[in-house]
Amino acid sequence: DTAVSQTPKYLVTQMGNDKSIKCEQNLGHDTMYWYKQDSKKFLKIMFSYNNKELIINETVPNRFSPKSPDKAHLNLHINSLELGDSAVYFCASSQLDRGRTGELFFGEGSRLTVL
Amino acid sequence: GQNIDQPTEMTATEGAIVQINCTYQTSGFNGLFWYQQHAGEAPTFLSYNVLDGLEEKGRFSSFLSRSKGYSYLLLKELQMKDSASYLCAVPWEVFSGAGSYQLTFGKGTKLSVIP
Repeated sequence: DTAVSQTPKYLVTQMGNDKSIKCEQNLGHDTMYWYKQDSKKFLKIMFSYNNKELIINETVPNRFSPKSPDKAHLNLHINSLELGDSAVYFCASSQLDRGRTGELFFGEGSRLTVL
Repeated sequence: GQNIDQPTEMTATEGAIVQINCTYQTSGFNGLFWYQQHAGEAPTFLSYNVLDGLEEKGRFSSFLSRSKGYSYLLLKELQMKDSASYLCAVPWEVFSGAGSYQLTFGKGTKLSVIP
């Protein structure tokens, strides 16, 4: 069983479109994350979310919005896609212990290409 | 805030030993992680240090000096499959006193192992 799974693995779309990437974890973790890895391979956090709070990295445009139907899912919705959004998006989860983040478990990544 | 610095690239010979350094500046220390990421794959957890000293795990060891804001990852008996990026990461408290942490990654060190 895959611990953290995300779909789709590859997504090619036109500028201006809206798209979503789904993520599910079966580890029973209380916190999920979205990271963006650009062409220079820099892994940058976008959001972290648990059932108590959503923490948004201030550099993330508001065209990006996380949606969590339940504790095991954190989807990423992107409006009005731009060329600069092309990247690999990684979902991850961890279990917090008194606020301290434990080991992150990553999904396989979703490679988004905006044309 | 936090600042993480590690070399961009390193090359080493199969069978040799390589040390990958990481320096960090963070307000409030909550441990340091090392992750490995092969090209086209997700990062995977290697080690976590919260106390000073060396932690050994097979061919890989990780060292931490909190007073110096310094860590290194030591890879022994290098194998071709160790060619990957190695990411240093530290949790940082998003809002002071709130107890919410996010894991922030350095830009990674791309290690090439040559015959």
